[in-house]
Amino acid sequence: NAGVMQNPRHLVRRRGQEARLRCSPMKGHSHVYWYRQLPEEGLKFMVYLQKENIIDESGMPKERFSAEFPKEGPSILRIQQVVRGDSAAYFCASSSSGVTYEQYFGPGTRLTVT
Amino acid sequence: DQQVKQNSPSLSVQEGRISILNCDYTNSMFDYFLWYKKYPAEGPTFLISISSIKDKNEDGRFTVFLNKSAKHLSLHIVPSQPGDSAVYFCAASRNDYKLSFGAGTTVTVRA
Repeated sequence: NAGVMQNPRHLVRRRGQEARLRCSPMKGHSHVYWYRQLPEEGLKFMVYLQKENIIDESGMPKERFSAEFPKEGPSILRIQQVVRGDSAAYFCASSSSGVTYEQYFGPGTRLTVT
Repeated sequence: DQQVKQNSPSLSVQEGRISILNCDYTNSMFDYFLWYKKYPAEGPTFLISISSIKDKNEDGRFTVFLNKSAKHLSLHIVPSQPGDSAVYFCAASRNDYKLSFGAGTTVTVRA
């Protein structure tokens, strides 16, 4: 499967726990974007990363959220001390070059906080 | 804060007829517009796009129209087919990576 892969597809966490969402970009892509979709809303940009660099995190909540894209392995979106308001679908997208709207999306991770 | 709006959450159309989806935006700095299609349990997939220097772009059964003065775009699907039943998202960009999405319109094509 050469597409963008995300895991897990579904994640249930209790309030206060940590959530780790993983994204493997398409083969040959080195630019990764994370979006969040709250219920009844459109996808909202969170962060743009290249290998080992955060390029733009202007859409990330200031606390509890972090993202990384290490030299080896998938990109990870980490949410510490989850709250019910974090329940959403989190989509990852990738592209072969930066500064582009031509992004390919993964199937998403649906996070439910109980 | 919502810079891209899709005011119709759902649309039902008979197979073979035209589906018209609408989208409005507020940020005049947007210069590239896209439509994505999303099936349940899948990510959005790119459908068609249009640059702000154009007012129409066509790709098979799909046509996107852009009215810059009204800050409005629409997607026409002719003829509609059962496989077109999905959620359609309008998105806009300032010719960079930061896409702004509408809330989506769920299209149901009736046989």
